[in-house]
Amino acid sequence: AQSVTQLDSHVSVSEGTPVLLRCNYSSSYSPSLFWYVQHPNKGLQLLLKYTSAATLVKGINGFEAEFKKSETSFHLTKPSAHMSDAAEYFCVVSDPTSGTYKYIFGTGTRLKVLA
Amino acid sequence: DTAVSQTPKYLVTQMGNDKSIKCEQNLGHDTMYWYKQDSKKFLKIMFSYNNKELIINETVPNRFSPKSPDKAHLNLHINSLELGDSAVYFCASSQVAGGRTDTQYFGPGTRLTVL
Repeated sequence: AQSVTQLDSHVSVSEGTPVLLRCNYSSSYSPSLFWYVQHPNKGLQLLLKYTSAATLVKGINGFEAEFKKSETSFHLTKPSAHMSDAAEYFCVVSDPTSGTYKYIFGTGTRLKVLA
Repeated sequence: DTAVSQTPKYLVTQMGNDKSIKCEQNLGHDTMYWYKQDSKKFLKIMFSYNNKELIINETVPNRFSPKSPDKAHLNLHINSLELGDSAVYFCASSQVAGGRTDTQYFGPGTRLTVL
C-alpha cells in the first residue's frame, strides 16, 4: 500500500532563510509524488510533481524537491522564504491500484514565516 | 476561466437535513474525485468517477451519494446530515492516461457546517 509521512507538523523559519519540508513515502510501485500548497481558506495548488523523469524537480515560486529512492524521500526546499509562503503544505503519493490513481495525502506541514 | 468550480462555497445547515454540493470541470478530464478535509486539515478520498462510472468508493456512509450526470460534473448529495459531516469538501479532476497518474486539479472547496 502507498503512504506518505510528513515528518514535521509545524515548521517556522525567518524570512529570507531556507525552507525544508520533509516527506518520506512508501510505495510498491514506481511512485508519482506531488507537493501541494494550501493557503488559509483556499483550495489546493500544485507546487511540483515527480513522475519518474528527472529526480530534481523544480516547481512554482522557487520551490524544488529531490526524489531519493534510496532514502524513500521527497523533501521540499526553497532557498529563501517569503512571507507569502506561509501556508499548509501537503506531500502526496498517487495509488495506481484502483485504476484512477487516487491521491494519498500526508498529514500536512504548516509553514510559518517570521518577519 | 475557472478550471474546477464548486457550489456553494459555504453551506450551513441543521442536523438531519439533506444537502447537495455541485462540481464542474472545464478541463476535458475523464476522472473526477471527492475528498473530505477534516478539522485537522487531513484530506481523504471519498469517491472517484471515471467516464461517469464509479471507480472508488471508500468507507463512506451510504448517506453520501455521488452522482455524475456527465464527465464534466460530479455532485455530492448528503442525506440526514450529522455533526461529524462538518468539513471542507474538495472536488478534483484529472486525465487518467497512459498508465501513469496525471495531476489532479482541485476546486476551491465547500465548507459544510452542520449545527
